[in-house]
Amino acid sequence: DNVMTQSPDSLAVSLGERATINCKSSQSVLYSSNNKNYLAWYQQKPGQPPKLLIYWASTRESGVPDRFSGSGSGTDFTLTISSLQPEDVAVYYCQQYYGTPYTFGQGTKLEIK
Amino acid sequence: QVQLVQSGAEVKKPGASVKVSCKASGYTFTSYYIHWMRQAPGQRLEWMGSINPSGGSTSYAHKFQGRVTMTRDTSTSTVYMELSSLRSDDTAVYYCARRPDDWSANWFDPWGQGALVTVSS
Repeated sequence: DNVMTQSPDSLAVSLGERATINCKSSQSVLYSSNNKNYLAWYQQKPGQPPKLLIYWASTRESGVPDRFSGSGSGTDFTLTISSLQPEDVAVYYCQQYYGTPYTFGQGTKLEIK
Repeated sequence: QVQLVQSGAEVKKPGASVKVSCKASGYTFTSYYIHWMRQAPGQRLEWMGSINPSGGSTSYAHKFQGRVTMTRDTSTSTVYMELSSLRSDDTAVYYCARRPDDWSANWFDPWGQGALVTVSS
């Protein structure tokens, strides 16, 4: 299985500051024939299901604020929140969909400092 | 709007089975695969498998093969996930989620609200 490892496990950032979450896959999720990275990011707030933020590693889902951005390729990826807002407090997960079983990172808990 | 509504919480004894439903609305039911994930307390999300509502074909994670069965009822736009031989470590919130209309795009949106399954003697 492709193991997804996120860092850090938790993160405290001041309002208006940048938050950066990393995700590393044990196998590449870059499909060479179309040059696409098969990686998505989700946000999960307490008591709610995950919400899709980003797919293809860097494509923002419709309606997601542009302070959220994704980057990276191959095995190393980053989710960046450019200016933290109170409503961004949540747990963030990466997910690879390159091959089954589709696997998720362990989650990164983002809090306000 | 696109919506997936799941059945309620269940409490089961070890060795029993549980069947969780996921009713779809707001789109053509047979056009989009439905996937199932679970999230045990303090654990990462875990993909269990998927079903094609059009023909009923399924794909299960190796870990759950032999214990999970996914079915659908096109007349009610509902998919079902049944897990048998329950153990205490099957205690989790079980989610259904829709995949985009693209065979290569296996991200999930939207998700159902989740159904807590508790396995306890």
